[in-house]
Amino acid sequence: DIQMTQSPSTLSASVGDRVTFTCRASQRISLWLAWYQQKPGKAPKLLIYRASTLQSEVPSRFSGSGSGTEFTLTISSLQPDDIATYYCQQYTSHPLTFGQGTKVEIK
Amino acid sequence: EVQLVESGGGLVQPGGSLRLSCTTSGFTFSTHVMTWVRQAPGEGLEWVSSVSTGGGSTNYADPVKGRFTISRDNSKNTMYLQMNSLRAEDTAVYYCAKQPPTDLYFDYWGQGTLVTVSS
Repeated sequence: DIQMTQSPSTLSASVGDRVTFTCRASQRISLWLAWYQQKPGKAPKLLIYRASTLQSEVPSRFSGSGSGTEFTLTISSLQPDDIATYYCQQYTSHPLTFGQGTKVEIK
Repeated sequence: EVQLVESGGGLVQPGGSLRLSCTTSGFTFSTHVMTWVRQAPGEGLEWVSSVSTGGGSTNYADPVKGRFTISRDNSKNTMYLQMNSLRAEDTAVYYCAKQPPTDLYFDYWGQGTLVTVSS
């Protein structure tokens, strides 16, 4: 199975800050990576697929990069609405696996 | 508008059974792979099972293999998860999710249904 490791587990930042967090795969997954945002008590929402393609209607302050085993999600200017937990997911092969999540808090 | 609505969750005793349903609308159900993903209380996301467009091909996570059965009825735009021999560690919110035509990520999710396994 492909293990996905996210860091940090929690990130505290101020409104307007540029924030970046990382997802690492235990083996190469090319560009087969997606990012999701999950707000408390809600279902996850797709933000990015194929490592860097923004899902429709997702604000342009979100961006993704990386390939192979290392990927990043960046929020260019953190907004209060961005408070959530963010998960990465590899989809190169079954079993499909998620990272453990990065929780974003406002400082 | 794409909609996925789960139902069938509830409280069940260890060893018991439960059948979840995911009723969909707003897209051509029969042309999309469908999936169940679960989330234990306070934990992360865990892929559970996926079913192919016609229902003939299925995949399961190791923890549920042999106990859970995924299926779909394309005439009813509905997916199911039959859960048998339930264990305390199956306690979670179960989400159904839709996959796009060519990739294995999840572009739409339901709101989830809570399954609690406890005596």
